Amino acid sequence: DAGVIQSPRHEVTEMGQEVTLRCKPISGHNSLFWYRQTMMRGLELLIYFNNNVPIDDSGMPEDRFSAKMPNASFSTLKIQPSEPRDSAVYFCASSLSGDSYEQYFGPGTRLTVT
Amino acid sequence: AQTVTQSQPEMSVQEAETVTLSCTYDTSESDYYLFWYKQPPSRQMILVIRQEAYKQQNATENRFSVNFQKAAKSFSLKISDSQLGDAAMYFCAYKDRGGSEKLVFGKGTKLTVNP
Repeated sequence: DAGVIQSPRHEVTEMGQEVTLRCKPISGHNSLFWYRQTMMRGLELLIYFNNNVPIDDSGMPEDRFSAKMPNASFSTLKIQPSEPRDSAVYFCASSLSGDSYEQYFGPGTRLTVT
Repeated sequence: AQTVTQSQPEMSVQEAETVTLSCTYDTSESDYYLFWYKQPPSRQMILVIRQEAYKQQNATENRFSVNFQKAAKSFSLKISDSQLGDAAMYFCAYKDRGGSEKLVFGKGTKLTVNP
């Protein structure tokens, strides 16, 4: 069984450019999460979806960030325009909806904005 | 808002010895879940063990066990018979039961295992 798939694994871009991170959750999972990991702030939730609907986007830092989930098997996190402080590892995770289910993490995308 | 604190940025242990990683949390909820995740250099997040707050019995998974003290809001991880492969960052995490599905993480403890 394939786990959570994220692409690209690494992204280097220049300040001001648009960046799109992609995630394919585990088939059958109906909750999807985007987390960001930095040295300063650790791991923090940006947004999560349940049945393709955004439930909590309180962690999205500002309007430059947007996330979509057009169907159950695909989600994107877009940063436009990107800034050096956006450099981080971005994780996507998925789970079955409900309290007792484990979140499975993808391998992460390491984003560097120069 | 819930918070999770890991007061040990780094720990080290000799191979085959036992080590305990500390975690405290703050919440006004009475029912929740607590987790320990492992992140090796590959950066893959791996669930090590979880505890339901309504269960008094401490969770165990092979060499990994927890000491859950609900009144003290403490949740420590004990690794017995440490192995070189246990070297990683370890994150303590909290999740509400019946509310938000998001995980709230501590800042992590870097564990080094010395041969």
